[in-house]
Amino acid sequence: DTAVSQTPKYLVTQMGNDKSIKCEQNLGHDTMYWYKQDSKKFLKIMFSYNNKELIINETVPNRFSPKSPDKAHLNLHINSLELGDSAVYFCASSHDSGIANEKLFFGSGTQLSVL
Amino acid sequence: EDQVTQSPEALRLQEGESSSLNCSYTVSGLRGLFWYRQDPGKGPEFLFTLYSAGEEKEKERLKATLTKKESFLHITAPKPEDSATYLCAVPLRDYKLSFGAGTTVTVRA
Repeated sequence: DTAVSQTPKYLVTQMGNDKSIKCEQNLGHDTMYWYKQDSKKFLKIMFSYNNKELIINETVPNRFSPKSPDKAHLNLHINSLELGDSAVYFCASSHDSGIANEKLFFGSGTQLSVL
Repeated sequence: EDQVTQSPEALRLQEGESSSLNCSYTVSGLRGLFWYRQDPGKGPEFLFTLYSAGEEKEKERLKATLTKKESFLHITAPKPEDSATYLCAVPLRDYKLSFGAGTTVTVRA
């Protein structure tokens, strides 16, 4: 039973399209995250939600919009996709965001390719 | 500026050949240092958290150590299944984890 699951695994799309990535966690965690991993393997945080409330919003183009319908789900919607958006996007969760040293549980990633 | 740097970028080992990976950081007020393992096509998987200089943690063939400026991940007598990218991360202000670029370890049988 996968703890943090995200779909789809692969996403190939044309520039200018709008797409969504879904994430669900069954760990009972309060906090969920979206990370972006570029071709050089750097993992950078994009967003964090704690109990459906946005707590981290990094310098990300406003074409990216996270949505958390409940604390077990955090989706990422991307409008007007650009070539530079190609990367692997990881969803993650942790028990609590109040402590910066909470360990993260990651999904298996969504590889987004924008053509 | 807070920074996390890992070296080497890649490490090729023969099975049984022990080695160490380095993670150096410049963070004021360290609140812990994390090590993760990432296999190809998968998300990072938590290995260790270290909180204070002198602390050590072990798991199978892996041992992580921490000083005031850096952390080492020692791999003793590695096996091919230890091949992965190893990431270190440090919590910054505002609940953010800053990840290094990782060290990709390849262990040949």
